[in-house]
Amino acid sequence: DVKVTQSSRYLVKRTGEKVFLECVQDMDHENMFWYRQDPGLGLRLIYFSYDVKMKEKGDIPEGYSVSREKKERFSLILESASTNQTSMYLCASSPRGGGRIAFFGQGTRLTVV
Amino acid sequence: QKEVEQDPGPLSVPEGAIVSLNCTYSNSAFQYFMWYRQYSRKGPELLMYTYSSGNKEDGRFTAQVDKSSKYISLFIRDSQPSDSATYLCAMSETGGGNKLTFGTGTQLKVEL
Repeated sequence: DVKVTQSSRYLVKRTGEKVFLECVQDMDHENMFWYRQDPGLGLRLIYFSYDVKMKEKGDIPEGYSVSREKKERFSLILESASTNQTSMYLCASSPRGGGRIAFFGQGTRLTVV
Repeated sequence: QKEVEQDPGPLSVPEGAIVSLNCTYSNSAFQYFMWYRQYSRKGPELLMYTYSSGNKEDGRFTAQVDKSSKYISLFIRDSQPSDSATYLCAMSETGGGNKLTFGTGTQLKVEL
């Protein structure tokens, strides 16, 4: 079974803090994604990566950055957390050419206070 | 206007009912159509995946795509309480890389 693991289920951070969300997949997938999920807005793509050290902006990259130093790990960074970044964050991975079949992690519920 | 529209529900049905979940879309370039199921406090999991128009069946689940109407459906036969979840449609273009565009999800509750 494909396994996508996010480092935390729940996080509470203060406004202005730098926040790191970590994601690891164990199926040697080339593609990795970060989404946020908000009521009434659905899943929105923040960043994605096709390969190590490569990244592409999604629909809502403002206030976020990413890092992919190893194939299996994709990190989402909130440079200076704000209350409007309170959300459910979902990591996903997919094989090359199979990006339409994405496997998701369990999600990280981030609250910024 | 959103590229993908989906009624958020909630939709409540009795056990054994046939459930119809739907999405409409505006981007005629969408060629790949997916349905994901998301249980409370979990990540989405892929249920069905179809390319272009037509039907696809997998057990109690049937996915339909009508590209002329820009309308997709997921039917669940003999619904069970374990089907209670949020159902997300997702779509992708040919050559659109790996980007998926999601609907907002429909919350389904199947009651005993």
